[in-house]
Amino acid sequence: AQRVTQPEKLLSVFKGAPVELKCNYSYSGSPELFWYVQYSRQRLQLLLRHISRESIKGFTADLNKGETSFHLKKPFAQEEDSAMYYCALRGLRGAQKLVFGQGTRLTINP
Amino acid sequence: GAGVSQSPSNKVTEKGKDVELRCDPISGHTALYWYRQSLGQGLEFLIYFQGNSAPDKSGLPSDRFSAERTGGSVSTLTIQRTQQEDSAVYLCASSQGGQRPNYGYTFGSGTRLTVV
Repeated sequence: AQRVTQPEKLLSVFKGAPVELKCNYSYSGSPELFWYVQYSRQRLQLLLRHISRESIKGFTADLNKGETSFHLKKPFAQEEDSAMYYCALRGLRGAQKLVFGQGTRLTINP
Repeated sequence: GAGVSQSPSNKVTEKGKDVELRCDPISGHTALYWYRQSLGQGLEFLIYFQGNSAPDKSGLPSDRFSAERTGGSVSTLTIQRTQQEDSAVYLCASSQGGQRPNYGYTFGSGTRLTVV
C-alpha cells in the first residue's frame, strides 16, 4: 500500500530561519515524489518533483530511499512562503493516482 | 481551456438532497482525478479517469458517490442523499496521463460543498 506521512500539521518559523517540512512514505517499489503548495485563496499547485532535482523558490527536496523520506528544505524562509504544503507519492507501476499526506501549514513570522 | 474549471465554486444543500459537481479539464488532458479536501484530513483520493473509463474508483466512500466522464472531457461527480459528513472541498485535477513520470497534476479551484 502507498502511504505518505507528514508528521507536523503546523510549523511556525521566523523569517530568515531555515525551514524543513518532513515527509515520510511507505511504498514497496520505486516511487515518484512531489511537493504541492497551496497559498491563501489560490489553487493547489506543483512546487517540485524529485525526478527533476530542481530548486523552486529556494526550496529543495532530496529523496532518501534508505529513510523513505522526502523532506522539503529552504535555508532562509521568507514571509511569502507561508502556505499549506502537501507531500505526494505515485508508484511508477500501474496506479496513476497521487497519494497525498495530510499537509503541513507553514507560517513564517516577521 | 487554459486551466481546470470547476463549478459551482460553492454549494449549500440540505441533508438528503442530491448534488452534482462539474469539472472541465485542460484540453487534451486524458487523465482526470477527483479528490476531497477536508479539514484535518488532507487530500483524499476519490476516483481516477483515463479517457472515459475509471480504472480506479477505490476512493469513493460509499455507493452514494458516483462519477462519470463523457467525450474524454467533462466529468461530473454526483453525491446522492447528501450527509453532513460530505461537507468538504471537492477538487478536480487533470494531467496528460500515461506512464511518463514527470507529469504532475493541474488542479481546479474546487467546489466547497456544505450540507446543512
